[in-house]
Amino acid sequence: AQSVTQLDSHVSVSEGTPVLLRCNYSSSYSPSLFWYVQHPNKGLQLLLKYTSAATLVKGINGFEAEFKKSETSFHLTKPSAHMSDAAEYFCVVRNYGGSQGNLIFGKGTKLSVKP
Amino acid sequence: EAQVTQNPRYLITVTGKKLTVTCSQNMNHEYMSWYRQDPGLGLRQIYYSMNVEVTDKGDVPEGYKVSRKEKRNFPLILESPSPNQTSLYFCASSEVGEETQYFGPGTRLLVL
Repeated sequence: AQSVTQLDSHVSVSEGTPVLLRCNYSSSYSPSLFWYVQHPNKGLQLLLKYTSAATLVKGINGFEAEFKKSETSFHLTKPSAHMSDAAEYFCVVRNYGGSQGNLIFGKGTKLSVKP
Repeated sequence: EAQVTQNPRYLITVTGKKLTVTCSQNMNHEYMSWYRQDPGLGLRQIYYSMNVEVTDKGDVPEGYKVSRKEKRNFPLILESPSPNQTSLYFCASSEVGEETQYFGPGTRLLVL
């Protein structure tokens, strides 16, 4: 069965410093992995996705993630945090059990950005 | 504009009073899904639908029903709501086989 573990429930950074949000996955198949962002009182928005093409995936708003099969990781990074990046971030794996399969969400990492 | 809409956005009800949360998408997507979001638990799938008249249970289906009579609509029905169904609910849709799901704005439900 597929699963994801977000290693930090809360990350706090200063504006202009790098962001690292950690995610480990477990999957019996070649996984499809995603990062979604949820700003306060908003719905979820796709940041980026990995579907077995390039291992370094670039997303919106300067975020990127690297798929590392040997480490079963898919960490999200950004070189320089902006105040508008403050949000909750979800690492997601597609579950290929059953028909199309559903999305399995991590428990989320809340990112705070200090001025 | 391509979007997923949900109604109502906020709802306060009492235990046992049947309610329906509607979800509609205008992208002609075959796949639709309902999730609930609870603090510290992320999103968990309730039900999903691959197409009209095709529905299946997700991870937490107990206490919920769905129907898919039209491609664009996927209502979530709580026949007898209980306080443990107090949550934030999201509807999502996508093409079958397409990786990206599009999410609605969410419905915040409080069951007293």
